[in-house]
Amino acid sequence: DVKVTQSSRYLVKRTGEKVFLECVQDMDHENMFWYRQDPGLGLRLIYFSYDVKMKEKGDIPEGYSVSREKKERFSLILESASTNQTSMYLCASSSPGPPVSGNTIYFGEGSWLTVV
Amino acid sequence: GEDVEQSLFLSVREGDSSVINCTYTDSSSTYLYWYKQEPGAGLQLLTYIFSNMDMKQDQRLTVLLNKKDKHLSLRIADTQTGDSAIYFCAERPNYGGATNKLIFGTGTLLAVQP
Repeated sequence: DVKVTQSSRYLVKRTGEKVFLECVQDMDHENMFWYRQDPGLGLRLIYFSYDVKMKEKGDIPEGYSVSREKKERFSLILESASTNQTSMYLCASSSPGPPVSGNTIYFGEGSWLTVV
Repeated sequence: GEDVEQSLFLSVREGDSSVINCTYTDSSSTYLYWYKQEPGAGLQLLTYIFSNMDMKQDQRLTVLLNKKDKHLSLRIADTQTGDSAIYFCAERPNYGGATNKLIFGTGTLLAVQP
């Protein structure tokens, strides 16, 4: 069974803390993504990576950074957490090429982050 | 900018048909998708349509694509309580290359009343 695992389902952090969200996939996928999901706004792409040590900014990268040292692991880093980063964070992975049947994007179950 | 828009909420009775609508902005999009998110879970691909098709049927699901109006719809026949979820449409712009960068809509919460 294919799996994208987000290590923390629920986190509560204080304003100004450095926060790490970890994601691991077991499908040898080249592409990995971090989205945030907010009610009424849908999913917005923060960063994506198409290979080890490669990364590109998505639509809302401000306040975030990422790390991809190994193919299976993609980390999202909040350098100094703020209350407006309270959200649900979704990690995803896929192989290159259009995501159609047999080559879909697989999502993790999400990490709920509350910044107080 | 790129905006994929959906209505936020739809309520139907069990056994009725549900129609969830979506408008997208990038006419170069080659694939359009419907994803389902059940409570507490990530997103799961339901179905997709290639941009040169008008319609695709997959068991209880029918996808209609109107490229001229950039309108996509998902019809669920004989809606069941297990269909209650958030439904996201997504487009894959042509510039996405091999990285599968998708633009997601705002999501529609489907509530099925017994």
